[in-house]
Amino acid sequence: EDKVVQSPLSLVVHEGDTVTLNCSYEVTNFRSLLWYKQEKKAPTFLFMLTSSGIEKKSGRLSSILDKKELFSILNITATQTGDSAIYLCAVEASGGSNYKLTFGKGTLLTVNP
Amino acid sequence: DARVTQTPRHKVTEMGQEVTMRCQPILGHNTVFWYRQTMMQGLELLAYFRNRAPLDDSGMPKDRFSAEMPDATLATLKIQPSEPRDSAVYFCASGLPTNLYEQYFGPGTRLTVT
Repeated sequence: EDKVVQSPLSLVVHEGDTVTLNCSYEVTNFRSLLWYKQEKKAPTFLFMLTSSGIEKKSGRLSSILDKKELFSILNITATQTGDSAIYLCAVEASGGSNYKLTFGKGTLLTVNP
Repeated sequence: DARVTQTPRHKVTEMGQEVTMRCQPILGHNTVFWYRQTMMQGLELLAYFRNRAPLDDSGMPKDRFSAEMPDATLATLKIQPSEPRDSAVYFCASGLPTNLYEQYFGPGTRLTVT
């Protein structure tokens, strides 16, 4: 059974801190790893990673994948209160014509002013 | 501003009742996903459709859940009979087959079964 584990489950920081969120996975027929941000409502897409060692960056957020060690990290620098959210990691796998997406339980990030 | 819409936004029902949730994908998106989110299990993919055909519903309890796309603008998820353990937020998302990861989520239906 495919598995995605995120750590920590929750994190409280002060504005300006840098945080690192972790995601490890065990899946069959890995295709990609995805990061989403979920605020009060629905998740919004952040990054898709398919290749090891290539950093994806968007503003203060960046992410990298290690396919050998089966994990990814999401970094947020100079955190702001607006970064408070649940960050979800998901792994996409393939099986014939099927599409399988397995989510971790998420990391709840709280950024205090 | 194209969005996925879901109705109802909230539903409280008694155990044993039928529940139908509806989703209108973004116009032009031909891939639709149904997810369920709970505190215990997190976000789970229940089923997905491409061009209105169900491609995978292995994440869905077959005995009581059913998902359909009667036309390109409407997807439905039905639970019959509902049980308290079905209480969750149900999300619909739509996307394009070339970018399955970049799904656009609807606001969700919060279902409470008492």
